[in-house]
Amino acid sequence: QVQLQESGPGLVKASQTLSLTCTVSGGSVAGGSYFWTWIRQSAGKGLEWIGRMFLSGDGNYNPSLLSRVTISVDTSKNQVSLELKSVTAADTAIYYCARESVALTALDLWGQGIRVSVSS
Amino acid sequence: DIQMTQSPSSVSASVGDRVTITCRASQGISTWLAWYQQKPGKAPTLLIYDASTLHTGVPSRFGGSGSGTDFTLTISSLQPEDFAIYYCQQFSSFPATFGPGTKVDV
Repeated sequence: QVQLQESGPGLVKASQTLSLTCTVSGGSVAGGSYFWTWIRQSAGKGLEWIGRMFLSGDGNYNPSLLSRVTISVDTSKNQVSLELKSVTAADTAIYYCARESVALTALDLWGQGIRVSVSS
Repeated sequence: DIQMTQSPSSVSASVGDRVTITCRASQGISTWLAWYQQKPGKAPTLLIYDASTLHTGVPSRFGGSGSGTDFTLTISSLQPEDFAIYYCQQFSSFPATFGPGTKVDV
C-alpha cells in the first residue's frame, strides 16, 4: 500500500526558503503514470493547488507562486520535494503532498500534511 | 483562473437524510471535476472523479453528476461517518482550483 509522508521544518522565518520533502513508501515515484503534487490549506485561502511534476520533468505551477516555487522528483531517494522562496506570513498553511493519477485526473492519494508557520 | 463555488456552505442533516451539494465553475470544464471528503485533522480523500465516477472503495450512497459548469454531489442516505467537509476541484485548466467547501454536520 503506497503511502506519502511529508517532512520538514514546522517554522520558517519570513524571507527565507521553505523546503519540504514527501517520502513515498510502498511504491516508487518512478512507477505508474502519476503527477506528484503539492497542495496547501489555510484558513484564509482554503485549499490551494501549488503545482505538480511528472517524472519526466514535465510540470505545472500555480501562476500566483510561479516565481517562487520549485517541485522536484528524486527517484534515488523516492521523494518529492517542494521549495518555496521568500516566504511571508501568507504562506503559513498545512502543506500536503498528493499523487495525481493520469488515468483518473484526480488526486487519489494524499499525505497526512505538515503544518508550517512563517514567523517574522 | 477558473473560480469554483459551492452551495450551501454548510448543511445540517441527520442520519438517513439525502444530502445534495452543488459545485459551479466560472467557465465550462466538461467533466474534469473531482469531489473530496475531509474530516477534522485529516487530509482530503478522493470520492469521485470525472464528475460521476466513484473512486475505488467509496460507498455507493455517494453519487456525482453534471458537466460544463454545474455539478452535484449527492449522499443518498447520510451515515454517521459522512459528517465532514466536501470539496470540489476542477482539472480543466491550471491552476487546478478547489471550491471553498461544504460542511455537513448535525
